[in-house]
Amino acid sequence: QVQLQESGPGLVKPSETLSLTCSVSGGSVSSGSYYWSWIRQPPGKGLEWIGYIYYSGSTNYNPSLKSRVTILVDTSKNQFSLKLRSVTAADTAVYYCARYIAARTSFDYWGQGILVTVSS
Amino acid sequence: QSALTQPASVSGSPGQSITISCTGTSSDVGGYNYVSWYQQHPGKAPKVMIYDVSNRPSGVSNRFSGSKSGNTASLTISGLQAEDEADYYCSSYTTSSTLVFGGGTKVTVL
Repeated sequence: QVQLQESGPGLVKPSETLSLTCSVSGGSVSSGSYYWSWIRQPPGKGLEWIGYIYYSGSTNYNPSLKSRVTILVDTSKNQFSLKLRSVTAADTAVYYCARYIAARTSFDYWGQGILVTVSS
Repeated sequence: QSALTQPASVSGSPGQSITISCTGTSSDVGGYNYVSWYQQHPGKAPKVMIYDVSNRPSGVSNRFSGSKSGNTASLTISGLQAEDEADYYCSSYTTSSTLVFGGGTKVTVL
């Protein structure tokens, strides 16, 4: 059974960089069948796709966040990560990592989510 | 990219059928058969209910069905049950090779 687990600070100061890691077990980030994604959900609001990365390192990002986002993959640790720069209170959200299965164009496995609050 | 448009809320009585719409453009919903639907209960991660417009993953009840016409996709829940009360989100692949979600629909079982 594939499992994803987010980790990182729950509190980030405004203007700083939000950094999260997603650890994958029961499956490999090196598999060519999947794209490894980050999605966020502000409190009481809807889902927003942030971006994804392929095992080769190829990425694609939400145009509205592209200038501030970097997603990296570490195949040796079976992890991928998210960095969001210059955060503001509007970046406060539950951040989910998820596996996107290309053959079914859907997110089939999700982490439990981690709440990140941007506040001084 | 703009979020796909969903009704904020839909309600129905137990046993009834309800339909949730998801409207996009020819650059996303209308351009591909790559629409998926997710169910989210409070405090939980979303769960995929439909992929590629109308396909159900193993383990998902056949009371859930999906369809698409033009730039609008739909999720129908038949035989509504109390456990179906949740938020539902659609998602689509886009011409820019990005992904976009709908704003979400709260389903209430009366």
